[in-house]
Amino acid sequence: GAVVSQHPSRVICKSGTSVKIECRSLDFQATTMFWYRQFPKQSLMLMATSNEGSKATYEQGVEKDKFLINHASLTLSTLTVTSAHPEDSSFYICSARGLADTGELFFGEGSRLTVL
Amino acid sequence: GQNIDQPTEMTATEGAIVQINCTYQTSGFNGLFWYQQHAGEAPTFLSYNVLDGLEEKGRFSSFLSRSKGYSYLLLKELQMKDSASYLCAAMDSNYQLIWGAGTKLIIKP
Repeated sequence: GAVVSQHPSRVICKSGTSVKIECRSLDFQATTMFWYRQFPKQSLMLMATSNEGSKATYEQGVEKDKFLINHASLTLSTLTVTSAHPEDSSFYICSARGLADTGELFFGEGSRLTVL
Repeated sequence: GQNIDQPTEMTATEGAIVQINCTYQTSGFNGLFWYQQHAGEAPTFLSYNVLDGLEEKGRFSSFLSRSKGYSYLLLKELQMKDSASYLCAAMDSNYQLIWGAGTKLIIKP
């Protein structure tokens, strides 16, 4: 099956610093990638949708200048949390939809961000 | 508006059968997904239904009724490792997934 790799799986950073999370589709080309965040015991919350070569579409309430998304190729999307604050601590998950567009999403392993 | 409803928590006994229900309201419909998520991990795909009826896959089955906006996930011969959250998600006309809050399934020996 299709594999999506997300890195790093865990990151701890100081308040005010920036953190980059990578999401790679390893054996397929992803036309669309999605970034979610999930707080404990809550469902996934879609942050943004990124299409290769174009600007990401952010969900209402998500600051695009704080959560920078780059989808430079069909196999890589990055999420950069800029000037991180403790309230940004969360579980960030990416998913990808393949070119065949069957509708199924393939998820990365997730990245747990802790901002001190 | 778009909405997904599923129970917050369910408890079942090892070896038994449990059914997790999900109702949805979306702008258009392009299928219903079930995902399993263990604590601290990303979701893993279980099933996809776009036509009415029952899809069976080993111990797991998923049912869809489009006219009723209703789906269920049926887990048979429950094992302790099935303890997890089960997320129901409906795909709308824009091919975006609308997620339920998840059902935490607790399996007791």
